[in-house]
Amino acid sequence: QVHLQESGPGLVKPSETLSLTCTVSGGSMSDYFWSWIRQPPGKGLEWIGYIHNSGTTGTTKYNPSLESRVAMSMDTSKNQFSLKLYSMTAADTAMYYCARGGKSSSWSANFDAWGQGTLVTVSS
Amino acid sequence: ETTLTQSPAFLSVTPGDNVDISCKASHDIDNDLNWYQQKPGEAALFIIEEGSTLVPGIPPRFSGSGYGTDFTLTIKNIQSEDAAYYFCLQHDTPPYTFGQGTKLEIK
Repeated sequence: QVHLQESGPGLVKPSETLSLTCTVSGGSMSDYFWSWIRQPPGKGLEWIGYIHNSGTTGTTKYNPSLESRVAMSMDTSKNQFSLKLYSMTAADTAMYYCARGGKSSSWSANFDAWGQGTLVTVSS
Repeated sequence: ETTLTQSPAFLSVTPGDNVDISCKASHDIDNDLNWYQQKPGEAALFIIEEGSTLVPGIPPRFSGSGYGTDFTLTIKNIQSEDAAYYFCLQHDTPPYTFGQGTKLEIK
């Protein structure tokens, strides 16, 4: 059974860059779509974007609301994929989750496995 | 962007009760809607896919229905372990969006 685990700093200063990693165990990363999702305190979930290991650097698609500040990457040799979110503000304070989607673009957000989440607070 | 309106936001029920949670999409999403259960400190659990298909391993007291814009998650004969946060997800068109969630409390 696949297991996902998020890791990264719990505290980020305003204007800095958040870097999170999701480590996948119990299964291969190949062919699947891998997403980041977040949930600010007391609010609903927001899909950040996905990455898929096609091409040399992977195919990405981001939520237009965050597209200008987001970058995702993956390292299949380490069974990891990562999120960078630039120019962090207090509004980016949230629980951040990674999740596995399906194997085709039609199923890219058919999330069948999630991490437990990691809380990121933006504060000076 | 597809907006999902989920209701109610909070439910307090007694073991043995039946509950319905609604998720309404702002436009037609066929059956591209999933339901998840999340308990504090745990990973979200995939319970219903494609509007009405029970994910293997999920108890049959959970069921889903709906197509197009109106979807319902039904839990029959609620058990204490069903206390959780439930949310819907549309994966029809990016950006993929979620309902605001329902907190289910068991008295």
